[in-house]
Amino acid sequence: EAQVTQNPRYLITVTGKKLTVTCSQNMNHEYMSWYRQDPGLGLRQIYYSMNVEVTDKGDVPEGYKVSRKEKRNFPLILESPSPNQTSLYFCASSFFLGGATSGANVLTFGAGSRLTVL
Amino acid sequence: AQTVTQSQPEMSVQEAETVTLSCTYDTSESDYYLFWYKQPPSRQMILVIRQEAYKQQNATENRFSVNFQKAAKSFSLKISDSQLGDAAMYFCAIIIQGAQKLVFGQGTRLTINP
Repeated sequence: EAQVTQNPRYLITVTGKKLTVTCSQNMNHEYMSWYRQDPGLGLRQIYYSMNVEVTDKGDVPEGYKVSRKEKRNFPLILESPSPNQTSLYFCASSFFLGGATSGANVLTFGAGSRLTVL
Repeated sequence: AQTVTQSQPEMSVQEAETVTLSCTYDTSESDYYLFWYKQPPSRQMILVIRQEAYKQQNATENRFSVNFQKAAKSFSLKISDSQLGDAAMYFCAIIIQGAQKLVFGQGTRLTINP
């Protein structure tokens, strides 16, 4: 089954304790991205990657790191989590984004990771 | 920069009736694509419908249709014959051709009353 898999689905942690949210896709997608969802703000992009070893900041990158060493994996790293990073996180992927057809711009989302930082 | 505004934080409708969710957007670009995503309690993001800005014909997918008004920068979603399974948060989103992100609205929570 074609899917984007995120882990963990739920996590409660404390301020300053480094954590990694993993993301893996099995569709051979070039493009991957992380979003966070907060009430009243919708989803906002944190980082994205257009291919292996190619990553760039989104709208809210502060406090986060990413890496893309393999095509299928795109982990999100919180080096020193703070309470304002309590949120619902989504990983998403696509063959290509920004293309000339709507089909090229359809994202497949993971199931979400609910993170609470105390 | 692009912005998307969903002015209705919550909506409710009786089962089997029709409901329209509003979405307005702002962009200076001419080539873009618009989407409606559904997020049920499971939190999964599910694509409902999509529209190319260059197409004048409104997109439809079964009971879901859009009213795309390009000049007014409006992209509303109409759900006909509402079903209990339609209860969810709905997000409107835009992507500009050549860009590397979807920009989402704030979301509208839809409740279906039996």
